[in-house]
Amino acid sequence: QVQLGESGGGVVQPGGSLRLSCAASGFTFSLYGMYWVRQAPGKGLEWVAYIQFDGYIKQYADSVKGRFTISRDNSLNTVSLQMNSLRLEDTAVYYCAKPTPGAPPKSLDSWGQGTLVTVYS
Amino acid sequence: AIQLTQSPSSLSASVGDRVTITCRASQGISSALAWYQQKPGKSPKLLIYDASSLETGVPSRFSGSGSGTDFTLTISSLQPEDFATYYCQQFNNYPITFGGGTKVEIK
Repeated sequence: QVQLGESGGGVVQPGGSLRLSCAASGFTFSLYGMYWVRQAPGKGLEWVAYIQFDGYIKQYADSVKGRFTISRDNSLNTVSLQMNSLRLEDTAVYYCAKPTPGAPPKSLDSWGQGTLVTVYS
Repeated sequence: AIQLTQSPSSLSASVGDRVTITCRASQGISSALAWYQQKPGKSPKLLIYDASSLETGVPSRFSGSGSGTDFTLTISSLQPEDFATYYCQQFNNYPITFGGGTKVEIK
């Protein structure tokens, strides 16, 4: 079955950097775009970034554009999120998620367990 | 960006009740809407996609309807395991956006 496992979260000071990774298994990773979604403590869900199946198209939320970079390695079945210039408001659980089959994507049918990023001064 | 407004933000209901949650989009999104359930400390779980299609394995007491700007999620007979927070999400345009959530609590 589909499994997604995030890693790389931790505590960082404002202005610092962190790199999150998501290891995928149980599906043909190279055929799917992948997503990062975050959730601040006690708050709702916020889409962060998207990368197309081949890595050529990337989309970002305005709140992270220019600071975060999404990438993928189809040989290792991983998707990553490089987070630079971190701010207090980036504190959240970060989830990677897989879309339902088909194009265009219509929903996210599998989610990882999430990794907590805390930006703390 | 397309805004999704969920109502109510919270509700109290009893086991066996019929529960309806609404999601209104700030502009038309055809049927590109999904619904998720999230329990405390857990990842979101997909319930409905394409506004009205039931995800495999999701109980039939869950149903979705609507198109354009107005959507609903209905739980026909609330069960103890349904107490959770529910989110709508639109996939029509980037940025992808979520509603603010509806917390369903036990009365």
